[in-house]
Amino acid sequence: GAVVSQHPSRVICKSGTSVKIECRSLDFQATTMFWYRQFPKQSLMLMATSNEGSKATYEQGVEKDKFLINHASLTLSTLTVTSAHPEDSSFYICSARDPAGAPVAPRETQYFGPGTRLLVL
Amino acid sequence: GIQVEQSPPDLILQEGANSTLRCNFSDSVNNLQWFHQNPWGQLINLFYIPSGTKQNGRLSATTVATERYSLLYISSSQTTDSGVYFCAVERTNFGNEKLTFGTGTRLTIIP
Repeated sequence: GAVVSQHPSRVICKSGTSVKIECRSLDFQATTMFWYRQFPKQSLMLMATSNEGSKATYEQGVEKDKFLINHASLTLSTLTVTSAHPEDSSFYICSARDPAGAPVAPRETQYFGPGTRLLVL
Repeated sequence: GIQVEQSPPDLILQEGANSTLRCNFSDSVNNLQWFHQNPWGQLINLFYIPSGTKQNGRLSATTVATERYSLLYISSSQTTDSGVYFCAVERTNFGNEKLTFGTGTRLTIIP
């Protein structure tokens, strides 16, 4: 249980285009999902917290208008990188909590998707 | 915000060796998790361990919450253990729940 998927796994796009990344909880409903960004050989940095049915909460320094987050259902959150530029090239990872808790893990446990590698040319 | 430091930053070991990875954090926490990030980037949950000791096969972890550190032990290392190990902590504060990741330890196991 507690599987999170992401699509696409990798994307290459031209500068100026927009890219949408999907994050799905496959076997549980997640009221809260999280979006992280990881640059090469660095740690994960939280970008925003996605709340189902309400606006996302962005971390300091993350542009709301550039990274659009939509959490329209209890199993799907999307991140859209608008007008992407080469400096947006990174590894984007989503995670989700299972509010019901898993048999072997408490509800605070976050489960991570496989990530999306974005390359902007 | 809370600071999370991991040591060592890099570790190269021969297959079969044991290792200890450390995670220090700057404030009291409600949640601490250890993850293994494989070479393809997937984060795999290893332990949820805000305090105490847990074991799972060749891996075990201990968190001493009062002294603000956690240790991850890997015994009889295998090449598949290679990757980056992260600890991540959370301090619940007025409903603002979020994980802060440590700096990571890159482990390379040589056959």
